[in-house]
Amino acid sequence: GAGVSQSPRYKVAKRGQDVALRCDPISGHVSLFWYQQALGQGPEFLTYFQNEAQLDKSGLPSDRFFAERPEGSVSTLKIQRTQQEDSAVYLCASSLVGLAMLEQFFGPGTRLTVL
Amino acid sequence: SQQGEEDPQALSIQEGENATMNCSYKTSINNLQWYRQNSGRGLVHLILIRSNEREKHSGRLRVTLDTSKKSSSLLITASRAADTASYFCATSGAQKLVFGQGTRLTINP
Repeated sequence: GAGVSQSPRYKVAKRGQDVALRCDPISGHVSLFWYQQALGQGPEFLTYFQNEAQLDKSGLPSDRFFAERPEGSVSTLKIQRTQQEDSAVYLCASSLVGLAMLEQFFGPGTRLTVL
Repeated sequence: SQQGEEDPQALSIQEGENATMNCSYKTSINNLQWYRQNSGRGLVHLILIRSNEREKHSGRLRVTLDTSKKSSSLLITASRAADTASYFCATSGAQKLVFGQGTRLTINP
């Protein structure tokens, strides 16, 4: 596709449910990033992939958060046993080459609401 | 935690006026990037300035970087209603971007 796509765009979960958020990066982009954005705040880094390798997961807030990119393209962010504090917009971004030396292209985000 | 701090947090000006937003950061950087976010188009990259550059222009945008003061500014000239959005600076260190909290810019017709 022409840009980064994410699905679903909106997700409502009951506390304790597991959720899976999908990201389709721009074709050919090596790097993929996940961010969490709370209301009124800037995006906060969660994790980074270069192809299928997860090179940095220092931003994942707990072991309930898990991300994968098994074939080096589509990525999934999974949150287990969701809590109310997980409510946020989850942004995915991709860039042509590794590291953060170039601009990142962002998807529209998935707004997660945990009740 | 976020590294950058934008100032002001909110700015409201008349269409046609210039808007200036400032960003301060704490650690050494490879580059600094500015992004715009609105509900219609999500987060969009505006401009990137490298640590060895002091000023950069792109259309109506002018960015300055002062690494000695660990600060940057974004100037939007001749503002338009479509410039209404939140603006974020993001610093690039190692492998990730670190965003500030953003400036909410409102352009009044």
